[in-house]
Amino acid sequence: GAVVSQHPSRVICKSGTSVKIECRSLDFQATTMFWYRQFPKKSLMLMATSNEGSKATYEQGVEKDKFLINHASLTLSTLTVTSAHPEDSSFYICSARLQTGGAFFGQGTRLTVV
Amino acid sequence: GESVGLHLPTLSVQEGDNSIINCAYSNSASDYFIWYKQESGKGPQFIIDIRSNMDKRQGQRVTVLLNKTVKHLSLQIAATQPGDSAVYFCAENPTGNQFYFGTGTSLTVIP
Repeated sequence: GAVVSQHPSRVICKSGTSVKIECRSLDFQATTMFWYRQFPKKSLMLMATSNEGSKATYEQGVEKDKFLINHASLTLSTLTVTSAHPEDSSFYICSARLQTGGAFFGQGTRLTVV
Repeated sequence: GESVGLHLPTLSVQEGDNSIINCAYSNSASDYFIWYKQESGKGPQFIIDIRSNMDKRQGQRVTVLLNKTVKHLSLQIAATQPGDSAVYFCAENPTGNQFYFGTGTSLTVIP
């Protein structure tokens, strides 16, 4: 299947700092990518839709100034968690959808804010 | 987001038996569904998909059934193996490109 690569897989940062997570589609172009957040033993919650060359669309309740999304090319979307706090600690996952319909996911990023 | 739920949060099966994981979705406009498998600490892995113009689709050891009348999906895994132990999610696509996920079912295969 299609490959979506996410980096880093784990990151620990101090409270108040910002963290950037990258999501790349390795063998296809993705005009749209998606960012999800997952708490332990919970389902994936869609945070935002990342659109190449335009602003991201955020789900209700997601702070766009907190979670900055940039989709500057057809193969790369980034999520920056700004001024991170312990409650931002979570598993963040990106996905990209093929034109044929299927959506493939990155490996996820475990963020721990201390 | 959309409401996509699973009937059973946990399921234990004996190795070699068949597994059935169920999912209810709420949006009758959803026309595309995917089942994912997620192992601990990893991203979801695509298993099988189905469009609303079908009621059954088979893959390798897996079958997805779609009942649009009652808005129900199921994933059947034949001859379940220990490597099938994971959390399984159904996801629906009601509009645009977004997918919304159910709560997940944790499958444990007993050797």
